[in-house]
Amino acid sequence: DTEVTQTPKHLVMGMTNKKSLKCEQHMGHRAMYWYKQKAKKPPELMFVYSYEKLSINESVPSRFSPECPNSSLLNLHLHALQPEDSALYLCASSQDWAGASGETQYFGPGTRLLVL
Amino acid sequence: AQKITQTQPGMFVQEKEAVTLDCTYDTSDPSYGLFWYKQPSSGEMIFLIYQGSYDQQNATEGRYSLNFQKARKSANLVISASQLGDSAMYFCAMSSDYTGRRALTFGSGTRLQVQP
Repeated sequence: DTEVTQTPKHLVMGMTNKKSLKCEQHMGHRAMYWYKQKAKKPPELMFVYSYEKLSINESVPSRFSPECPNSSLLNLHLHALQPEDSALYLCASSQDWAGASGETQYFGPGTRLLVL
Repeated sequence: AQKITQTQPGMFVQEKEAVTLDCTYDTSDPSYGLFWYKQPSSGEMIFLIYQGSYDQQNATEGRYSLNFQKARKSANLVISASQLGDSAMYFCAMSSDYTGRRALTFGSGTRLQVQP
């Protein structure tokens, strides 16, 4: 089973709202990732968690706040977003945080976020 | 720095025919991994195939094969016997253990349309 789940599937929020995106995997993976994908563009890395510790923050604005409460769960807390933050947010996980050794990242279905 | 180039924004293929999607990459790392993902309109990124830089043989997974030419730094995806369900965006991606960026760098993608 290579399933990564994400909720909600769709989210509409105002610029003053606070919301959270949730990602869950039960494959025993120890690395989890958040990507942002704008329309007709490839995914761009936002954050990497390895063994529940934040390992990479790609200079993401502080209005995006990641959290990894345990090895199966990854959250992305959203606050005071801008309309340009509207995008597909993808979560992924891999067995370990090691690229060249073939650690495949498995993606969830994404959350389509619209900021009004 | 790593870079992935996909020069075909869009491709058409007739059902049951084979199609090749091009991917070239640039890296100075000796050890890296190359991946292909499929993204239907629903948004989920589906892992298709992986090739390690030290693998001697080209990877194959069912109807998918990866034509890996290391000296030319190319990793083309070949889909045999195309099906209507293959219509999607296809991304080539790479990762490396040595750059400190153990996450995926994606190409710009190729949109494949399979015609009946």
